[in-house]
Amino acid sequence: KAGVTQTPRYLIKTRGQQVTLSCSPISGHRSVSWYQQTPGQGLQFLFEYFSETQRNKGNFPGRFSGRQFSNSRSEMNVSTLELGDSALYLCASSLEGRGFNQPQHFGDGTRLSIL
Amino acid sequence: TQLLEQSPQFLSIQEGENLTVYCNSSSVFSSLQWYRQEPGEGPVLLVTVVTGGEVKKLKRLTFQFGDARKDSSLHITAAQPGDTGLYLCAGFNAGNNRKLIWGLGTSLAVNP
Repeated sequence: KAGVTQTPRYLIKTRGQQVTLSCSPISGHRSVSWYQQTPGQGLQFLFEYFSETQRNKGNFPGRFSGRQFSNSRSEMNVSTLELGDSALYLCASSLEGRGFNQPQHFGDGTRLSIL
Repeated sequence: TQLLEQSPQFLSIQEGENLTVYCNSSSVFSSLQWYRQEPGEGPVLLVTVVTGGEVKKLKRLTFQFGDARKDSSLHITAAQPGDTGLYLCAGFNAGNNRKLIWGLGTSLAVNP
């Protein structure tokens, strides 16, 4: 069973540019979450999509946005990049079910560096 | 605001030693998950604990959920270099808009 696939793995951008990251969840998983991971702040939740709708949102500025397609694939976009956006961006998919105790299945992330 | 505090933040030990890492909160969680993340990879789920007082074992790893479901611990017996990685705990509260609350992690290095 294929895991969560994130592309690209590495990306270098300059301040002011925008970027789009892609995530293909495990087949059958309808929930996709995005996280930003930095050494000082740890894993910070960006947003969660389910059935093409944003179901949850973290405390990030509006420069961070996302969407989910009918096949559950998801993209996140960051506009007007800042140096502080340099981080590992992780996508995780999970099954939807009662109790909401479903584990998160992570991709290997996109390492974004802002110059 | 719910917070999960993990301790210690960093741990460097020799192969064969035992260790315990902690995940503490003042809030009650419906369940708690432990993940391990290796360099260049995403976190991988190790275990989910749901019941207060629950103990789960995964080979040399023992996970415990506190009776009040506010804290958890991970004990590793006879650590091996392959145990090296970042250990993350994440608490889930069904009443908290279904978000997972993440700790900052414990970075473990096991030296041969």
